[in-house]
Amino acid sequence: DGGITQSPKYLFRKEGQNVTLSCEQNLNHDAMYWYRQDPGQGLRLIYYSQIVNDFQKGDIAEGYSVSREKKESFPLTVTSAQKNPTAFYLCASSMTGITYNSPLHFGNGTRLTVT
Amino acid sequence: SQQGEEDPQALSIQEGENATMNCSYKTSINNLQWYRQNSGRGLVHLILIRSNEREKHSGRLRVTLDTSKKSSSLLITASRAADTASYFCATAMEYGNKLVFGAGTILRVKS
Repeated sequence: DGGITQSPKYLFRKEGQNVTLSCEQNLNHDAMYWYRQDPGQGLRLIYYSQIVNDFQKGDIAEGYSVSREKKESFPLTVTSAQKNPTAFYLCASSMTGITYNSPLHFGNGTRLTVT
Repeated sequence: SQQGEEDPQALSIQEGENATMNCSYKTSINNLQWYRQNSGRGLVHLILIRSNEREKHSGRLRVTLDTSKKSSSLLITASRAADTASYFCATAMEYGNKLVFGAGTILRVKS
């Protein structure tokens, strides 16, 4: 079955540590996205990538970094510079890119808790 | 305020009843998308309706779009306990290549 796999499901880190969230897709989609979800709010875009070796900042990129070395993989690093990193992180992919003419396919998320 | 806003914030109904959720937005759109999210899970796409369409159906789901009022509604007929989830609208803006999510409607279907 095609889909998006995010790991781990839960992640706990101490303040000041960088942490990397994994996202892998086997849908052969060109575009991939990282969103952040906080309670009672809509999803906010962190970074997106339309092709390998290219990515763009979203609305809340500060304190995050990404790479896109392979079409299937789009890992997100939450750095110590992110002021409020505790959140639910969702990775998504789509057939078409930022024109959003096709729906997004989401992974099941990683819940990050930083203490 | 956000581009897409759902109303109501929360809705509680009995199994078998219909559930209606509304979404309003501010700027011109290419399409509007509805997603469902079960607790602690990712979002699942339900329906995408384009700006030149007025109504779409998928099983027990019916989505309408009124571009003159900048609003959309999602109707779930004959609801089931399994429909309990959060429902989000997302608007693909006509200019700026952005997809903006609302804060969602929490639907609880009681059996």
